[in-house]
Amino acid sequence: ETGVTQTPRHLVMGMTNKKSLKCEQHLGHNAMYWYKQSAKKPLELMFVYNFKEQTENNSVPSRFSPECPNSSHLFLHLHTLQPEDSALYLCASSQRPAGTTYTGELFFGEGSRLTVL
Amino acid sequence: QKEVEQNSGPLSVPEGAIASLNCTYSDRGSQSFFWYRQYSGKSPELIMFIYSNGDKEDGRFTAQLNKASQYVSLLIRDSQPSDSATYLCAVVSSNTGKLIFGQGTTLQVKP
Repeated sequence: ETGVTQTPRHLVMGMTNKKSLKCEQHLGHNAMYWYKQSAKKPLELMFVYNFKEQTENNSVPSRFSPECPNSSHLFLHLHTLQPEDSALYLCASSQRPAGTTYTGELFFGEGSRLTVL
Repeated sequence: QKEVEQNSGPLSVPEGAIASLNCTYSDRGSQSFFWYRQYSGKSPELIMFIYSNGDKEDGRFTAQLNKASQYVSLLIRDSQPSDSATYLCAVVSSNTGKLIFGQGTTLQVKP
Protein backbone atom coordinates (compact mmCIF):
# COMPACT_ATOMS: atom_id res chain seq x y z
CA GLU A 1 0.00 0.00 0.00
CA THR A 2 1.06 3.55 -0.60
CA GLY A 3 0.19 6.95 0.84
CA VAL A 4 -1.94 7.47 3.89
CA THR A 5 -4.70 4.99 4.67
CA GLN A 6 -7.50 5.45 7.15
CA THR A 7 -9.97 2.97 8.61
CA PRO A 8 -12.85 2.76 8.93
CA ARG A 9 -14.04 4.97 6.09
CA HIS A 10 -17.48 5.31 7.67
CA LEU A 11 -18.49 5.00 11.31
CA VAL A 12 -21.84 5.42 13.03
CA MET A 13 -21.82 5.43 16.79
CA GLY A 14 -24.04 6.27 19.71
CA MET A 15 -23.08 8.84 22.30
CA THR A 16 -22.16 6.15 24.81
CA ASN A 17 -20.01 4.05 22.48
CA LYS A 18 -16.25 3.82 22.38
CA LYS A 19 -14.58 3.50 19.00
CA SER A 20 -11.23 4.21 17.39
CA LEU A 21 -10.07 5.61 14.10
CA LYS A 22 -6.85 4.29 12.62
CA CYS A 23 -4.36 5.93 10.30
CA GLU A 24 -1.25 4.45 8.70
CA GLN A 25 1.24 6.24 6.51
CA HIS A 26 3.56 4.42 4.11
CA LEU A 27 5.59 7.48 3.10
CA GLY A 28 8.33 7.40 5.71
CA HIS A 29 7.20 10.78 7.05
CA ASN A 30 8.11 12.15 10.44
CA ALA A 31 4.95 13.96 11.47
CA MET A 32 1.28 12.95 11.59
CA TYR A 33 -1.83 15.02 12.13
CA TRP A 34 -5.53 14.72 12.88
CA TYR A 35 -7.85 17.27 11.28
CA LYS A 36 -11.60 17.69 11.59
CA GLN A 37 -13.63 18.82 8.58
CA SER A 38 -17.21 19.94 9.18
CA ALA A 39 -19.62 21.23 6.55
CA LYS A 40 -19.14 24.89 5.69
CA LYS A 41 -16.16 25.22 8.05
CA PRO A 42 -12.42 25.34 7.44
CA LEU A 43 -10.29 22.35 8.29
CA GLU A 44 -9.53 22.34 12.01
CA LEU A 45 -6.22 21.04 13.30
CA MET A 46 -6.75 18.73 16.28
CA PHE A 47 -3.47 17.01 17.11
CA VAL A 48 0.09 16.88 15.83
CA TYR A 49 2.68 14.17 16.46
CA ASN A 50 6.32 14.66 15.58
CA PHE A 51 8.51 11.54 15.72
CA LYS A 52 5.60 9.95 17.66
CA GLU A 53 5.66 12.67 20.33
CA GLN A 54 2.59 14.88 20.66
CA THR A 55 3.53 18.46 19.91
CA GLU A 56 0.09 19.99 19.54
CA ASN A 57 -3.27 19.60 21.18
CA ASN A 58 -5.43 22.28 19.70
CA SER A 59 -7.82 22.64 22.65
CA VAL A 60 -9.60 19.44 21.70
CA PRO A 61 -12.17 18.04 24.18
CA SER A 62 -10.94 15.06 26.18
CA ARG A 63 -13.56 12.79 24.59
CA PHE A 64 -11.04 12.65 21.73
CA SER A 65 -7.87 10.83 22.73
CA PRO A 66 -5.00 10.40 20.27
CA GLU A 67 -2.37 7.70 20.32
CA CYS A 68 0.80 7.42 18.24
CA PRO A 69 2.66 4.16 18.91
CA ASN A 70 5.23 4.82 16.16
CA SER A 71 5.93 7.24 13.32
CA SER A 72 3.74 5.27 10.90
CA HIS A 73 0.59 4.77 12.93
CA LEU A 74 -1.87 7.16 14.48
CA PHE A 75 -5.11 6.46 16.30
CA LEU A 76 -7.96 8.63 17.48
CA HIS A 77 -9.92 7.07 20.31
CA LEU A 78 -13.49 8.28 20.64
CA HIS A 79 -15.78 8.05 23.67
CA THR A 80 -18.98 9.74 24.82
CA LEU A 81 -19.13 11.86 21.70
CA GLN A 82 -21.79 14.43 20.94
CA PRO A 83 -23.87 14.77 17.76
CA GLU A 84 -21.92 17.94 16.90
CA ASP A 85 -18.79 15.79 16.64
CA SER A 86 -20.19 14.29 13.45
CA ALA A 87 -17.70 15.22 10.75
CA LEU A 88 -15.01 13.96 8.42
CA TYR A 89 -11.84 13.17 10.33
CA LEU A 90 -8.73 13.43 8.23
CA CYS A 91 -5.32 12.06 9.00
CA ALA A 92 -2.29 13.63 7.34
CA SER A 93 1.47 13.20 7.34
CA SER A 94 4.41 15.36 6.37
CA GLN A 95 8.07 14.84 5.59
CA ARG A 96 9.42 17.86 7.37
CA PRO A 97 9.10 17.42 11.11
CA ALA A 98 6.43 19.62 12.63
CA GLY A 99 8.80 21.23 15.09
CA THR A 100 9.50 24.90 15.43
CA THR A 101 8.51 25.42 11.82
CA TYR A 102 5.43 23.66 10.61
CA THR A 103 5.15 22.51 7.08
CA GLY A 104 2.19 23.11 4.81
CA GLU A 105 3.03 20.18 2.54
CA LEU A 106 0.66 17.60 3.91
CA PHE A 107 -0.46 14.28 2.51
CA PHE A 108 -3.99 13.41 3.56
CA GLY A 109 -5.74 10.11 3.94
CA GLU A 110 -9.23 9.60 2.51
CA GLY A 111 -10.82 10.35 5.86
CA SER A 112 -13.21 8.65 8.24
CA ARG A 113 -16.79 9.92 8.03
CA LEU A 114 -18.17 9.86 11.58
CA THR A 115 -21.84 10.11 12.46
CA VAL A 116 -22.82 10.38 16.13
CA LEU A 117 -26.44 9.56 16.87
CA GLN B 1 -11.76 38.91 10.68
CA LYS B 2 -11.08 35.37 9.55
CA GLU B 3 -7.43 34.37 9.43
CA VAL B 4 -7.76 33.01 5.90
CA GLU B 5 -10.71 34.13 3.84
CA GLN B 6 -12.10 32.72 0.63
CA ASN B 7 -15.34 33.23 -1.21
CA SER B 8 -17.19 29.93 -0.85
CA GLY B 9 -18.70 30.23 -4.34
CA PRO B 10 -19.65 28.36 -6.33
CA LEU B 11 -17.52 29.91 -9.02
CA SER B 12 -18.81 28.78 -12.38
CA VAL B 13 -16.71 29.07 -15.54
CA PRO B 14 -17.11 27.59 -19.01
CA GLU B 15 -14.75 24.93 -20.22
CA GLY B 16 -11.58 26.46 -21.68
CA ALA B 17 -11.84 29.68 -19.67
CA ILE B 18 -9.49 30.94 -16.98
CA ALA B 19 -10.68 30.31 -13.44
CA SER B 20 -9.43 32.78 -10.85
CA LEU B 21 -9.57 31.80 -7.19
CA ASN B 22 -8.71 34.34 -4.54
CA CYS B 23 -7.66 34.21 -0.93
CA THR B 24 -6.83 36.89 1.63
CA TYR B 25 -5.07 36.39 4.92
CA SER B 26 -4.73 38.46 8.06
CA ASP B 27 -1.24 37.52 9.30
CA ARG B 28 1.16 40.00 7.75
CA GLY B 29 4.14 37.89 8.84
CA SER B 30 3.09 34.72 7.00
CA GLN B 31 5.68 33.40 4.59
CA SER B 32 4.27 30.12 3.25
CA PHE B 33 1.12 29.69 1.18
CA PHE B 34 -0.54 26.60 -0.20
CA TRP B 35 -3.38 25.58 -2.49
CA TYR B 36 -5.13 22.26 -1.98
CA ARG B 37 -7.77 20.73 -4.25
CA GLN B 38 -10.54 18.61 -2.77
CA TYR B 39 -12.88 16.64 -4.98
CA SER B 40 -16.30 15.88 -3.56
CA GLY B 41 -16.08 12.98 -1.15
CA LYS B 42 -12.28 12.91 -1.33
CA SER B 43 -9.43 14.24 0.76
CA PRO B 44 -7.45 17.44 0.09
CA GLU B 45 -4.51 17.17 -2.28
CA LEU B 46 -1.67 19.70 -2.45
CA ILE B 47 -1.42 21.24 -5.91
CA MET B 48 0.68 24.39 -5.46
CA PHE B 49 2.77 26.22 -2.92
CA ILE B 50 4.36 29.66 -3.10
CA TYR B 51 6.75 31.44 -0.79
CA SER B 52 7.85 34.53 -2.74
CA ASN B 53 6.00 37.50 -4.14
CA GLY B 54 5.04 37.17 -7.77
CA ASP B 55 3.88 34.29 -9.92
CA LYS B 56 4.67 30.61 -9.85
CA GLU B 57 3.55 28.47 -12.76
CA ASP B 58 3.03 24.72 -12.93
CA GLY B 59 1.33 23.49 -16.05
CA ARG B 60 -2.13 25.04 -16.28
CA PHE B 61 -1.89 26.36 -12.72
CA THR B 62 -0.39 29.69 -11.66
CA ALA B 63 -0.16 30.81 -8.06
CA GLN B 64 0.18 34.52 -7.42
CA LEU B 65 1.32 36.08 -4.17
CA ASN B 66 1.18 39.70 -3.06
CA LYS B 67 2.38 39.99 0.52
CA ALA B 68 1.88 43.75 0.67
CA SER B 69 -1.81 43.32 -0.09
CA GLN B 70 -2.02 40.02 1.81
CA TYR B 71 -3.62 38.01 -0.93
CA VAL B 72 -2.79 34.87 -2.80
CA SER B 73 -4.59 33.63 -5.87
CA LEU B 74 -4.73 30.56 -8.05
CA LEU B 75 -5.32 30.80 -11.78
CA ILE B 76 -6.37 27.75 -13.75
CA ARG B 77 -5.96 28.17 -17.50
CA ASP B 78 -7.96 26.18 -20.04
CA SER B 79 -10.32 24.98 -17.31
CA GLN B 80 -11.62 21.45 -17.69
CA PRO B 81 -14.69 19.80 -16.15
CA SER B 82 -12.22 17.63 -14.21
CA ASP B 83 -11.05 20.79 -12.42
CA SER B 84 -14.44 21.03 -10.73
CA ALA B 85 -13.64 20.76 -7.04
CA THR B 86 -13.25 22.80 -3.89
CA TYR B 87 -9.97 24.69 -3.68
CA LEU B 88 -8.57 25.32 -0.22
CA CYS B 89 -6.14 28.12 0.50
CA ALA B 90 -3.81 27.53 3.46
CA VAL B 91 -1.32 29.79 5.20
CA VAL B 92 1.34 29.00 7.80
CA SER B 93 0.86 31.32 10.77
CA SER B 94 3.94 33.31 11.68
CA ASN B 95 2.84 33.29 15.34
CA THR B 96 2.00 29.64 15.92
CA GLY B 97 3.54 27.90 12.92
CA LYS B 98 0.22 26.18 12.34
CA LEU B 99 -1.27 25.67 8.90
CA ILE B 100 -4.50 27.66 8.76
CA PHE B 101 -7.05 26.73 6.12
CA GLY B 102 -9.66 28.87 4.47
CA GLN B 103 -13.20 27.65 4.00
CA GLY B 104 -12.56 26.79 0.36
CA THR B 105 -14.00 27.95 -2.97
CA THR B 106 -16.09 25.55 -4.99
CA LEU B 107 -15.28 25.69 -8.69
CA GLN B 108 -17.67 24.38 -11.32
CA VAL B 109 -16.39 24.07 -14.88
CA LYS B 110 -19.28 23.65 -17.28
CA PRO B 111 -18.75 21.77 -20.57
